[in-house]
Amino acid sequence: QVQLQESGPGLVKPSETLSLICTVSGGSISASDYYWAWIRQPPGKGLEWLGIINDSGRTYHNASLRSRVTISVDTSNNQFSLRLNSATAADSAVYYCARQVGYGSWYLDLWGRGTLVSVSS
Amino acid sequence: QSALTQPASVSGSPGQSITISCTGTSSNVGSFNLVSWYQQHPDKAPKLIIYEVTKRPSGVSDRFSGSKSGNTASLTISGLQAEDETFYYCSSYARGDSLIFGGGTKLTVL
Repeated sequence: QVQLQESGPGLVKPSETLSLICTVSGGSISASDYYWAWIRQPPGKGLEWLGIINDSGRTYHNASLRSRVTISVDTSNNQFSLRLNSATAADSAVYYCARQVGYGSWYLDLWGRGTLVSVSS
Repeated sequence: QSALTQPASVSGSPGQSITISCTGTSSNVGSFNLVSWYQQHPDKAPKLIIYEVTKRPSGVSDRFSGSKSGNTASLTISGLQAEDETFYYCSSYARGDSLIFGGGTKLTVL
């Protein structure tokens, strides 16, 4: 079955760029009409949607972070990625990648296990 | 957009029913039947339990049900079990093509 796995540095210095990759296994990232999402959760806090992308590269972003967030897709490697520039301590969180079932559905039916990223010098 | 409003905590005894509310605005919950609910155990990824207000994914117990009235969506868990004790989050599509979450509710089974 389809699985998602986040990967990337667990520690990022303030003002640097936080970069993560989500690898999709057990199925094609181009299958059906899926969108692929990034969500984060600061320790002990709630969930925050960062944005989504489809296999054609169409993106939608959280408006509050739009200027700092880049989401891209690499269909040849069945991956999509997140870049968050000018990182601060407030960006420390567990970052999840997930699958959204089509543009019109807006629900996340499959999640990765998450990866903890700390922003600290 | 601001987060959806959920109670910080709810509680109930085994076998009882509880309801968790999720209040938004006419820009999100009130205008679209695109509310979903997630269950999250500590140190685990969220799990989808309700989508499009009332639908349950395959494999999710029918003890979980969803509804909506105006700007408020609700998750009801009937026949409470000890394993239901954890965190629950609502989310909704928001006008302008984004997704917003509630702040989360901690369910305690007494």
